[in-house]
Amino acid sequence: NAGVTQTPKFQVLKTGQSMTLQCAQDMNHEYMSWYRQDPGMGLRLIHYSVGAGITDQGEVPNGYNVSRSTTEDFPLRLLSAAPSQTSVYFCASSYGLAGAYYEQYFGPGTRLTVT
Amino acid sequence: AQSVSQHNHHVILSEAASLELGCNYSYGGTVNLFWYVQYPGQHLQLLLKYFSGDPLVKGIKGFEAEFIKSKFSFNLRKPSVQWSDTAEYFCAVNAPHASGGSYIPTFGRGTSLIVHP
Repeated sequence: NAGVTQTPKFQVLKTGQSMTLQCAQDMNHEYMSWYRQDPGMGLRLIHYSVGAGITDQGEVPNGYNVSRSTTEDFPLRLLSAAPSQTSVYFCASSYGLAGAYYEQYFGPGTRLTVT
Repeated sequence: AQSVSQHNHHVILSEAASLELGCNYSYGGTVNLFWYVQYPGQHLQLLLKYFSGDPLVKGIKGFEAEFIKSKFSFNLRKPSVQWSDTAEYFCAVNAPHASGGSYIPTFGRGTSLIVHP
C-alpha cells in the first residue's frame, strides 16, 4: 500500500494564482482531511470529508475549496493564492465509525510558498 | 468551540531524563484522544490513542499516556528519553464539530522536544 500520497511536494505561487493540491489514499478510508501547519499554530483543519460526495468546513476554510467524487481522492483547491496561505499542507485519511474518526494516516505534505 | 491546550511549547532534555508533556481539552462529553509525533522532515504518525477502557494507554517506543477525565487531561510520558525522540509532539482530541455531528480531531499547537545526547 502506498498509504496517503500528496503532490506536489513543493510549490511556489504568485499572489492571485490558483492551483490544486492532490491527495490520494489506497486504504479505502471513508474520512479524509486537509490541514495546514504553521509554526506555533499546530495543525488547523481546513476541510474534511466523511465520505464520497460529503464535505464540510473546518477551522480555516476561507480561500480553499474541496470536492470528494471518489473514496480515494480529496483535492484541495486554492482559488486565488495569498501570502497568508504560505504553509505546509497535510492530507490525512482515517477509518470512521458512527461519525467519529479513528487514528489518521498522514501524507508527506506539500510545502507551499506564495510570493 | 473545542480547544486543546499543550502547555509546554519547547522542552529540552538530556538522554535518560523522564518526560511528561501536558495536554488538556475543553469538551465535556465523550472524547477520543490521540498523541501524534512528527520527526524532523517527516509526516505525522500515531504514537498512541485512547477510545475506552483502561485510562493508562501504552504506545510505541515506550511512550504511555494517562486519561484523567476529571482533569480533562491526556498527558504523555516516557520514563527515559533517547536522542531519537527529538521531534514535535501533538495531542489531538475527537469531539463534535460545530457545524455537524461528526466527531473530528482538534489538534493542540504542539510541543517541540529536543533531547541532547
